[in-house]
Amino acid sequence: LAKTTQPISMDSYEGQEVNITCSHNNIATNDYITWYQQFPSQGPRFIIQGYKTKVTNEVASLFIPADRKSSTLSLPRVSLSDTAVYYCLVSGNRDDKIIFGKGTRLHILP
Amino acid sequence: DAGVTQSPTHLIKTRGQQVTLRCSPKSGHDTVSWYQQALGQGPQFIFQYYEEEERQRGNFPDRFSGHQFPNYSSELNVNALLLGDSALYLCASSLVGLNYGYTFGSGTRLTVV
Repeated sequence: LAKTTQPISMDSYEGQEVNITCSHNNIATNDYITWYQQFPSQGPRFIIQGYKTKVTNEVASLFIPADRKSSTLSLPRVSLSDTAVYYCLVSGNRDDKIIFGKGTRLHILP
Repeated sequence: DAGVTQSPTHLIKTRGQQVTLRCSPKSGHDTVSWYQQALGQGPQFIFQYYEEEERQRGNFPDRFSGHQFPNYSSELNVNALLLGDSALYLCASSLVGLNYGYTFGSGTRLTVV
């Protein structure tokens, strides 16, 4: 299983764009990159998933360089409600379980 | 469309007791995974069930056991509870082989006193 490394915590202000980078040097050819968001005392919530280049949905963008050894979750114009823990995970069909790291605690300030 | 449902939401048990937590997967999903999340930590993988059998297991003692029923719902049992078992227990469902499509429930908060 590819191990991921991401910053322990980040602070930002309302209205700013936030970028959280995740390192996954040992990513395998079949692995996908998935980001989850978790609020206190709730289960993780799927945000976005990608394999390469750029993926965008209504809440975030995911940038993946050609070597796929890192990825960046981009949250546009954050609000106070985006304060949460964000997890980067790497997994593929060959390993059905997904393993969480420590995540990044994002704190949005007014 | 019902997501993953877990019961109960909160539970208080005494050290040494046994507890059973329940999970109903998202409609269309056939695989259930259980996670333990201590305060301030990321979720830790306990085990995964598919076709009523345990497929994979994390680094948890035999006190933790589970079951999956024909309707894909699942139970997590913990025997001889320890204070350190206090945590949020999360259930996630998915389709086998498509592990990047996990849906999590809101969890059961277990407090052992």
